[in-house]
Amino acid sequence: TQLLEQSPQFLSIQEGENLTVYCNSSSVFSSLQWYRQEPGEGPVLLVTVVTGGEVKKLKRLTFQFGDARKDSSLHITAAQTGDTGLYLCAGRDDKIIFGKGTRLHILP
Amino acid sequence: SAVISQKPSRDICQRGTSLTIQCQVDSQVTMMFWYRQQPGQSLTLIATANQGSEATYESGFVIDKFPISRPNLTFSTLTVSNMSPEDSSIYLCSVEDPGGVYGYTFGSGTRLTVV
Repeated sequence: TQLLEQSPQFLSIQEGENLTVYCNSSSVFSSLQWYRQEPGEGPVLLVTVVTGGEVKKLKRLTFQFGDARKDSSLHITAAQTGDTGLYLCAGRDDKIIFGKGTRLHILP
Repeated sequence: SAVISQKPSRDICQRGTSLTIQCQVDSQVTMMFWYRQQPGQSLTLIATANQGSEATYESGFVIDKFPISRPNLTFSTLTVSNMSPEDSSIYLCSVEDPGGVYGYTFGSGTRLTVV
């Protein structure tokens, strides 16, 4: 069974700080996606990474796909209160599976 | 990307009753997906709904408990039958967005509480 482990589960930091969250698996995925989910809403796609070693930037968010396509990280620079939410990674092979998420709370 | 309208957004139901959740997509899609998101858990796929055929259920989910309809390419319903408190969860429908580079678009979810 493919599993995606996300860490940390919870993270509460001050506005302006940097942070990194991780998504790890023992399985290889053809692509990996990151979603953000806010209360009362469904997850919204942030990025898809496909190539091992790929790095994508979305404003203050930097996403990296591991060389072996088994893991990924999301780095946020100078966090803002608007970054608060649940961050989910999802690995895609013949099916898509989701991690349990990292619940991020940015304090003003 | 597709836009999904899901309703109801939340409901509180008595045990033993059933609730039907509706999802309307603004474009035609081949497959629609139904997920459950329990507190502190990841999204778990319940079933895949194809138009014109029976839904395909994942291990641990059965048609009698979660009947699905897919009458056309833009609409689907999920019914949670004979509810118990263990069914309290967020239920989400989703479609794969062909224009979004393998991404999935989700409805806003239905927060179900069974009392």
